[in-house]
Amino acid sequence: QSVLTQPSSVSGTPGQRVTISCSGSISNIGSATANWYQQLPGTAPKLLIYAYDQRPSGVPDRFSGSKSGTSASLAISGLQSEDEADYYCATWDDSLNVVLFGAGTRLTVL
Amino acid sequence: QVQLVESGGGVVHPGGSLRLSCVASGFTFRSYGMHWVRQAPGKGPEWVAVISFDGRIKYYGDSVKGRFIISRDNSNNTLYLQMNSLRPEDTAIYSCAKEQLSRYYGWDVWGQGTTVTVSS
Repeated sequence: QSVLTQPSSVSGTPGQRVTISCSGSISNIGSATANWYQQLPGTAPKLLIYAYDQRPSGVPDRFSGSKSGTSASLAISGLQSEDEADYYCATWDDSLNVVLFGAGTRLTVL
Repeated sequence: QVQLVESGGGVVHPGGSLRLSCVASGFTFRSYGMHWVRQAPGKGPEWVAVISFDGRIKYYGDSVKGRFIISRDNSNNTLYLQMNSLRPEDTAIYSCAKEQLSRYYGWDVWGQGTTVTVSS
């Protein structure tokens, strides 16, 4: 099964804005959905963004999502030290009937 | 509070079987699709399987298709994963997760997982 393509790492300084991209295909990100998860060390992933740009209650508005064609992006503004974590994009593929995950992006706050 | 608690993990030889359970509480279990996902040490999540709210629709990841079976008991708020013909590459922490609204809207509740080790 194909996977979604994310950068392996990104970094930024406190207060900065960073973005993480996730590339898929027409049958998943292009037409279905994109969801983003944050995973802190030793904990279960937490849903940050769903359906491309929707934030669950309790998620700060510093986190935002967008879609362009067959790619999705997660933006984090006003970067904070506690944002240092692994970020995963995920989607449902309507052709394959499977959930796909990206390999993850490690965010380092310098 | 909303919670998922997995159990049933352990150490098993290649070719062996295990049955995992996931007990749900704090929400109306019978109304939501449920997933199993696994995470090997140092790796990202890998989706394993999904079952619809009523148990009628099931899908599997390629790496487990034909070996694993997902099922649920809505009367006891429990999700299951029967794992057969286990391989060393199945070694991982297995977690259950609840769909937020549908398979398109992500998983808003995850369990802490149960560890499966396949080794001779």
